[in-house]
Amino acid sequence: GQNIDQPTEMTATEGAIVQINCTYQTSGFNGLFWYQQHAGEAPTFLSYNVLDGLEEKGRFSSFLSRSKGYSYLLLKELQMKDSASYLCAVRDSNYQLIWGAGTKLIIKP
Amino acid sequence: ETGVTQTPRHLVMGMTNKKSLKCEQHLGHNAMYWYKQSAKKPLELMFVYSLEERVENNSVPSRFSPECPNSSHLFLHLHTLQPEDSALYLCASSQDLGMGYNEQFFGPGTRLTVL
Repeated sequence: GQNIDQPTEMTATEGAIVQINCTYQTSGFNGLFWYQQHAGEAPTFLSYNVLDGLEEKGRFSSFLSRSKGYSYLLLKELQMKDSASYLCAVRDSNYQLIWGAGTKLIIKP
Repeated sequence: ETGVTQTPRHLVMGMTNKKSLKCEQHLGHNAMYWYKQSAKKPLELMFVYSLEERVENNSVPSRFSPECPNSSHLFLHLHTLQPEDSALYLCASSQDLGMGYNEQFFGPGTRLTVL
């Protein structure tokens, strides 16, 4: 079967760095996405990785290792507004997104 | 403003009611999606349309019926729902299906409660 695993909840301190991990087992791989979802709001796109390595976009970076079926989202200089759920999703061989259950990130002052 | 709107934002219905959810995208995209989001569960893909043709045949109960009259509009018709169907229903669109970014843009969702 297809499976995306990510931690249910993480806590970090304002100004710090946090890494949210995602491991996947899917039928085929055509890219990995990270989305942010604030409570009661729609998910919004953060990053896309299709090749191994690190993609940096401001305070957010995303890493992919296809051989390990592994990705992480790195958030630097955490701000209170970063409190949200972070969703990992893999595009499979049918070009459909398989989603993880999301990681709820709590930022403390 | 994500360019994808959904109405209504909240809906309470009895198990014998018939209602419809509406989604409209203003982005000129060719693909549209319906997802179900339940608490602490992954997003469940329900239906996919590309150029107004249904392309995904997930195992969705027949009490959910999609309709895509044109590339900008998507409906989800509901009838004789069960309490376990209570969830957030999200609509999304992307430029196309397939390779490349094609990131999905989501609407704000309809919070459905079935009594």
